[in-house]
Amino acid sequence: QQPVQSPQAVILREGEDAVINCSSSKALYSVHWYRQKHGEAPVFLMILLKGGEQKGHEKISASFNEKKQQSSLYLTASQLSYSGTYFCGTEWDGANNLFFGTGTRLTVIP
Amino acid sequence: KAGVTQTPRYLIKTRGQQVTLSCSPISGHRSVSWYQQTPGQGLQFLFEYFSETQRNKGNFPGRFSGRQFSNSRSEMNVSTLELGDSALYLCASSLGPYRSSGTYQETQYFGPGTRLLVL
Repeated sequence: QQPVQSPQAVILREGEDAVINCSSSKALYSVHWYRQKHGEAPVFLMILLKGGEQKGHEKISASFNEKKQQSSLYLTASQLSYSGTYFCGTEWDGANNLFFGTGTRLTVIP
Repeated sequence: KAGVTQTPRYLIKTRGQQVTLSCSPISGHRSVSWYQQTPGQGLQFLFEYFSETQRNKGNFPGRFSGRQFSNSRSEMNVSTLELGDSALYLCASSLGPYRSSGTYQETQYFGPGTRLLVL
């Protein structure tokens, strides 16, 4: 039921790009992305709906591949402030529940 | 504009007791969602309320319940506490139903959480 996120952890230098993937074994209706810094509450980034367009938020964007039941979060020209744990939440077609991945820990170093 | 507030911020209870947590959404927001976060289980969805009605519910036992008042404030109650209920409980608010259908999408704002320790 829980989506699978990859990689589990990644270390970047400032200015580098990263991709975080979120895969589901079931047909997805929506994918939600959040970032959480240590000791803080999550921050909502974006929702992607089935059939929707790729979304963007500053230099962070995401796509939703319905055929693969997968979403990818793209972080370009990473900044120190991007460090944190990124979670995806998935909602299946026909369900009213939201399941979260175990998170991807992203560390950006100078 | 004030953010989402949660009270209390920290709480210690013993097994078997019950607890009530409160969440005040951002002014004008009518949807409140609750989440549980633990090191072992990660982030889990509890339920969502919109206009005093529960719209969605996660896979939690009936010991976990909630309600929403006419002013959109929400409470979550856990009865007969178990050690495994120790967690950070987060609430988040949005203007409209958070996981609505179609192309209408909402931004969700989280509160700081209530850290519950069950002894």
